[in-house]
Amino acid sequence: DQQVKQNSPSLSVQEGRISILNCDYTNSMFDYFLWYKKYPAEGPTFLISISSIKDKNEDGRFTVFLNKSAKHLSLHIVPSQPGDSAVYFCAASAGGAGKSTFGDGTTLTVKP
Amino acid sequence: GAGVSQSPRYKVAKRGQDVALRCDPISGHVSLFWYQQALGQGPEFLTYFQNEAQLDKSGLPSDRFFAERPEGSVSTLKIQRTQQEDSAVYLCASSLALGGEQFFGPGTRLTVL
Repeated sequence: DQQVKQNSPSLSVQEGRISILNCDYTNSMFDYFLWYKKYPAEGPTFLISISSIKDKNEDGRFTVFLNKSAKHLSLHIVPSQPGDSAVYFCAASAGGAGKSTFGDGTTLTVKP
Repeated sequence: GAGVSQSPRYKVAKRGQDVALRCDPISGHVSLFWYQQALGQGPEFLTYFQNEAQLDKSGLPSDRFFAERPEGSVSTLKIQRTQQEDSAVYLCASSLALGGEQFFGPGTRLTVL
């Protein structure tokens, strides 16, 4: 049973438009959520995070929204750039444990 | 280097062979994690260390998998009697403190023939 799900394996958007990547979770003990970006042949790179006490966190072009009642979070990238093309992983952890449970990723392609 | 390094980057093993994968975390990082990433999936937690103490090994798939970090810095993940299902990318990550941002290495791609 997958506790973190990214239901869209891929997403394609035009440069300059908004990219919205979605993530659902089932474990109500999760209280910290992260997004990672991964290029081929590299390890994941931390992008942005949100604690369960917040419903929004913004960092430049990246905003993460958390809806605890729906157990859903999303990553918004505005405006999207071709360099944003990568695999994006959603991850969650519980109680400051540090170890993260990852989704299977969404491949984002931003077309010039 | 400033980042997490892993070696080898690629390893091909015959079924039944033992392998050892090395991780050099960022200097001063207390926490170290190992993940396994199968093709088309996200990383799956294997084990983590706080300094030299292995605090959680609940993700290790079998007793053929063993990890150590004897001096609280470099870590080795050993897989004995490798099987084809062990083929995956093995990722190491370190963080300054438990619960802090994790910095990942590039991974070791293991292929078991």
